[in-house]
Amino acid sequence: EAGVTQFPSHSVIEKGQTVTLRCDPISGHDNLYWYRRVMGKEIKFLLHFVKESKQDESGMPNNRFLAERTGGTYSTLKVQPAELEDSGVYFCASSLRWANEKLFFGSGTQLSVL
Amino acid sequence: AQSVTQPDIHITVSEGASLELRCNYSYGATPYLFWYVQSPGQGLQLLLKYFSGDTLVQGIKGFEAEFKRSQSSFNLRKPSVHWSDAAEYFCAVGDSNYQLIWGAGTKLIIKP
Repeated sequence: EAGVTQFPSHSVIEKGQTVTLRCDPISGHDNLYWYRRVMGKEIKFLLHFVKESKQDESGMPNNRFLAERTGGTYSTLKVQPAELEDSGVYFCASSLRWANEKLFFGSGTQLSVL
Repeated sequence: AQSVTQPDIHITVSEGASLELRCNYSYGATPYLFWYVQSPGQGLQLLLKYFSGDTLVQGIKGFEAEFKRSQSSFNLRKPSVHWSDAAEYFCAVGDSNYQLIWGAGTKLIIKP
């Protein structure tokens, strides 16, 4: 069974540019989560999809971040325009039901904004 | 507000020695508690979780954790570490919205 896949694994962009991160969850997992970890800090929740609907987007930092999950399969997280403070590791996770169940994580996208 | 504290940023342990990683949480109700591990280049993997019942929870890879309500702690233990246990370990608590609140992680370094 394929795990959660994230692409790219690393991205280096300049301030003001746009970056799109992609996450392919485990097939059949309705729940998809985005998290972010700034270096050395705790992992922070960004948002939660149930199928194609945003269940909870309370963790999204601001309107420069746009997440989509068209068709309830893969998800994208776009940052436009990127700022220096957006640097960090962006994790995607999926689960059959909800987060208080087992989460399956991708290996993350390391985003560096210069 | 709910929070999770992992007081040790790094811990160094000799191979074969015992391990205890500390986790303290702040949460009003009975918590759902988790330990995840991230090995280099990998995604986070669930080690164990506590929902209710027996306060000593067994997990994968020989790890266990004990829930102590009086101390608001959920420390992770292993009697004898292996070099392959070198990784970063994250404690988390599930909140009322079924989302996870995470600690900052503890990096485990294994000395040969």
